[in-house]
Amino acid sequence: AQKITQTQPGMFVQEKEAVTLDCTYDTSDPSYGLFWYKQPSSGEMIFLIYQGSYDQQNATEGRYSLNFQKARKSANLVISASQLGDSAMYFCAMKGSGGSNYKLTFGKGTLLTVNP
Amino acid sequence: DVKVTQSSRYLVKRTGEKVFLECVQDMDHENMFWYRQDPGLGLRLIYFSYDVKMKEKGDIPEGYSVSREKKERFSLILESASTNQTSMYLCASRLGLAYNEQFFGPGTRLTVL
Repeated sequence: AQKITQTQPGMFVQEKEAVTLDCTYDTSDPSYGLFWYKQPSSGEMIFLIYQGSYDQQNATEGRYSLNFQKARKSANLVISASQLGDSAMYFCAMKGSGGSNYKLTFGKGTLLTVNP
Repeated sequence: DVKVTQSSRYLVKRTGEKVFLECVQDMDHENMFWYRQDPGLGLRLIYFSYDVKMKEKGDIPEGYSVSREKKERFSLILESASTNQTSMYLCASRLGLAYNEQFFGPGTRLTVL
């Protein structure tokens, strides 16, 4: 079974500062993928970034980077230069291999608030 | 751009009613998903369809059924709605099993009274 743990129910950050959202995972699949999604108050889930378990380098997408530490089973999201529009729920998710390939397993989310 | 649309943003139904939630995607995606989102629980998979007329149970299928008669449309059915099915329902689609990203619709907030 796959499990995603997000230990921070809420986080606060000042505008223009960097913030790290924690995510740890557990799986027995040899190959897997890790995702981060953003959900603003409007409700739509927005894909941010993806990291494959065999990718040699940490994924980056603009101001988002994924700090992947395979031995620690962690996949933290780093947002640089926070903006007010970054205030939202953030979900970490995992896709396994084989029979677990078809679905995403989500964490419970972290509510990020960016203060002016 | 991929677009996933859901028939209603907000829905209020009575206990015992049959409820249909519709989801349509316009990018010829093979896979479609229905999730339920509750505070403190994240998203949980209800049902998944990997192709037309094909469906698989997710983690919490009890009380729900699905229908996929056409590739672009995936319906979630609550045969007899109950108050514990009050929730946010999110539909998603993906190009195919070999692909990673799921594209989500805006969600339907269902209240069962």
